[in-house]
Amino acid sequence: TQLLEQSPQFLSIQEGENLTVYCNSSSVFSSLQWYRQEPGEGPVLLVTVVTGGEVKKLKRLTFQFGDARKDSSLHITAAQPGDTGLYLCAGAQGTDKLIFGTGTRLQVFP
Amino acid sequence: NAGVTQTPKFQVLKTGQSMTLQCAQDMNHEYMSWYRQDPGMGLRLIHYSVGAGITDQGEVPNGYNVSRSTTEDFPLRLLSAAPSQTSVYFCASSKGLGQGDTEAFFGQGTRLTVV
Repeated sequence: TQLLEQSPQFLSIQEGENLTVYCNSSSVFSSLQWYRQEPGEGPVLLVTVVTGGEVKKLKRLTFQFGDARKDSSLHITAAQPGDTGLYLCAGAQGTDKLIFGTGTRLQVFP
Repeated sequence: NAGVTQTPKFQVLKTGQSMTLQCAQDMNHEYMSWYRQDPGMGLRLIHYSVGAGITDQGEVPNGYNVSRSTTEDFPLRLLSAAPSQTSVYFCASSKGLGQGDTEAFFGQGTRLTVV
């Protein structure tokens, strides 16, 4: 059982739709990151959130860190085919472990 | 900019064979780690290191050994390969996991098949 559970596991939507991906845990993290991974590549960082309740926006992507620092969400507005990929949340435990979530595979159709 | 370099990119092993996956970074990062990624899933932490001479176990360490004799290199050794170790392996490095230092940079992965 992985420490960080993401939902949904798969998401297939049409271009222009909105979506939200959730990352949940029973553990507290010192910071929470979101990465995107494309086929054949390693994950690439999108954002880091540190403070409970923090909200960060990156163009059409909005990231939120839960007040208790146990969960996070990623909201995409008006999804585009270029958003297709595997989205991974990752939580830092103290200053030595970075634990990844189970992943959400997003497919956006034109 | 090389970043994190993993070799080999692909490898096929027979059950029981041993091998070493190489990982090198040129960013002077203290923190390095190894993950495995099974089809359609997230990454699971195998081993990590917070600096030269210091290593520790992650979520799935059994069957793997690591060492960190220099800041730059963090090899992962499979002692006796098993089909359950068929996976894609990623090495990552970061300045650390303190606030502001957490971005992990990944290599391109090693796709390992054990037959």
